[in-house]
Amino acid sequence: NAGVMQNPRHLVRRRGQEARLRCSPMKGHSHVYWYRQLPEEGLKFMVYLQKENIIDESGMPKERFSAEFPKEGPSILRIQQVVRGDSAAYFCASSPGQNEKLFFGSGTQLSVL
Amino acid sequence: KQEVTQIPAALSVPEGENLVLNCSFTDSAIYNLQWFRQDPGKGLTSLLLIQSSQREQTSGRLNASLDKSSGRSTLYIAASQPGDSATYLCAVSSGGNNRLAFGKGNQVVVIP
Repeated sequence: NAGVMQNPRHLVRRRGQEARLRCSPMKGHSHVYWYRQLPEEGLKFMVYLQKENIIDESGMPKERFSAEFPKEGPSILRIQQVVRGDSAAYFCASSPGQNEKLFFGSGTQLSVL
Repeated sequence: KQEVTQIPAALSVPEGENLVLNCSFTDSAIYNLQWFRQDPGKGLTSLLLIQSSQREQTSGRLNASLDKSSGRSTLYIAASQPGDSATYLCAVSSGGNNRLAFGKGNQVVVIP
C-alpha cells in the first residue's frame, strides 16, 4: 500500500510563472489536506478537500492560490503568478475519515527565483 | 486562535537517556492532539494521536500524555537511540476537521 505520493519533489519557478503541485492520497483515503511550511516557521493549514468538494479553505491566501480534488486523479494545488514569498515546502496529507490519523507525503519544495 | 509552543526548540542527549519533549497550547477546547516525527527533507510520520477524552497513549518506547485543562502534552521517549534523532512536532486539532495547529518542533539529536 503506497503512501501519500507528492510530485514533483522539487519545483523551481521564476516570478510570475504558475506552479502546480500534485498529491495522490493513500488508497482508500478520500480526505486530503494541504499544509505549507515556510522557512523557520511551523506548518500552516491551507485547505481541506474531499472528492470534488472543498470543505475548508480558510488557510488559503485569497488570491493566486487554488486547490482541487477531482473525482478521478490527484489533488492539485495551483499557485498562479508565483512570488518569492511563495517559496516553501508544501505538504499533502490524507486520512480515511474526517478526524482520523493523518498520513503525510514527503512534500514539494517550491523555490521561486 | 490556537497557538502551540514547543520547548525546548533543540536538545542533545547521550544514547540511552530518556527524552522528555513538552508542548503547550492556548485553547483547551481541542478535538485531539498528535505527535509527529519529521526527518530532514522528508514528510511527517504520525507517532501518536490522543483524543480529547484520553489522558495518554503509548506505542513501544513512546508515551504521550495530555492535560487539557492546563493546555499541555508531553512526549516521553524511553532509552533514546541515535535513530531517534529528528524533529518532533506537536499538532492540535480544535475544529474536528483535522485542521491542525502545529508547533515549531523539538529538534532532537541523540549522541552515540
